[in-house]
Amino acid sequence: AQSVTQLGSHVSVSEGALVLLRCNYSSSVPPYLFWYVQYPNQGLQLLLKYTSAATLVKGINGFEAEFKKSETSFHLTKPSAHMSDAAEYFCAVSGRDDKIIFGKGTRLHILP
Amino acid sequence: DTAVSQTPKYLVTQMGNDKSIKCEQNLGHDTMYWYKQDSKKFLKIMFSYNNKELIINETVPNRFSPKSPDKAHLNLHINSLELGDSAVYFCASSHLRRGDAEAFFGQGTRLTVV
Repeated sequence: AQSVTQLGSHVSVSEGALVLLRCNYSSSVPPYLFWYVQYPNQGLQLLLKYTSAATLVKGINGFEAEFKKSETSFHLTKPSAHMSDAAEYFCAVSGRDDKIIFGKGTRLHILP
Repeated sequence: DTAVSQTPKYLVTQMGNDKSIKCEQNLGHDTMYWYKQDSKKFLKIMFSYNNKELIINETVPNRFSPKSPDKAHLNLHINSLELGDSAVYFCASSHLRRGDAEAFFGQGTRLTVV
């Protein structure tokens, strides 16, 4: 069975500062990992995904995430936050059972 | 040109009514899902279909019945609506039964039961 834990339901950063959203996973098989973003009143959009090719994954809008097996982590980062990054972010894990399991989400607030 | 489209976007109805939400995808995917997002933004998978066949049925009351007339459509019918059914329901689709295939989501249907 797979699961993900997102640390911090709310994260606030200043515009221009580093964004770090934390995700730890649990999986009985090598996992596939995803980060999705949800803007208000919209569906989820894929930011990036890890599929075992490279541990550092680059996504859209300047985001990237690093898969660390030893720490069972897949944290999302962005060097410089922009006001448009304010949204809900979801980490997700998939195994081989046709399910994508989502974390509880982290609301990112950008301070001017 | 919307990849995954749901209708309606908003649905307000009284307790005890029966309602349906429709979903269509034009991505050629063979797997479709229904997710429920509660007021705290928690996303929980409800059902998954692959080529019109039900493959995942999480612990969902049998008042919820998905129907897939073809692999591009997955509708959700809900009988005897209850207050606790109020949520945002998302349809999604993905390509093949592969764990590394990301899901593409619709815009959601906000269901309010009064």
